[in-house]
Amino acid sequence: GAGVSQSPRYKVAKRGQDVALRCDPISGHVSLFWYQQALGQGPEFLTYFQNEAQLDKSGLPSDRFFAERPEGSVSTLKIQRTQQEDSAVYLCASSLRDSQTDTQYFGPGTRLTVL
Amino acid sequence: QKEVEQNSGPLSVPEGAIASLNCTYSDRVSQSFFWYRQYSGKSPELIMSIYSNGDKEDGRFTAQLNKASQYVSLLIRDSQPSDSATYLCAVKYAGGTSYGKLTFGQGTILTVHP
Repeated sequence: GAGVSQSPRYKVAKRGQDVALRCDPISGHVSLFWYQQALGQGPEFLTYFQNEAQLDKSGLPSDRFFAERPEGSVSTLKIQRTQQEDSAVYLCASSLRDSQTDTQYFGPGTRLTVL
Repeated sequence: QKEVEQNSGPLSVPEGAIASLNCTYSDRVSQSFFWYRQYSGKSPELIMSIYSNGDKEDGRFTAQLNKASQYVSLLIRDSQPSDSATYLCAVKYAGGTSYGKLTFGQGTILTVHP
């Protein structure tokens, strides 16, 4: 079956521009996570959705970051007024539920470069 | 101090040798432990999960967990050049608002040379 897909795969933005990153999770997966991965680092948690409810946004670095999943499937991560420090790979992951044993499956990521 | 610590490497081993990757984690209510492999420019791929103390084997991979020492490791036997990648240790902490999110170490770069 289809895995997690993300688009665009690459995005170049000028500082100050707004960007929107899309994630299509595996069909039927209740849980959806966004992570940010800086070069040479492990992924860091940004936010979590259970269906359409955003239950944890503790990892969002500033109020310029906003995420939504209005119908409980596709999710969008929006970054307003991008800054150079936002340059990173943004990974989306989904799992069937959020139990301790559920596997998270990662999408290919969106590499964001802010000039 | 980060919650999950790994030696960033690079770790270089000859083909056919055993590669040993280590990870320590902070003392919280941690329940589940995962090893992900990430090839350059690709997304993380789960290779092993372990939930209780002891060893868990899957093919050439063995995960070892010691909760008393807050230590989890991954052994790769008969290493192949195709095993060259970054290996990420991840922990799921239980309780509160953890909701199954993964806390990752910075990753260990493994190079297997012919």
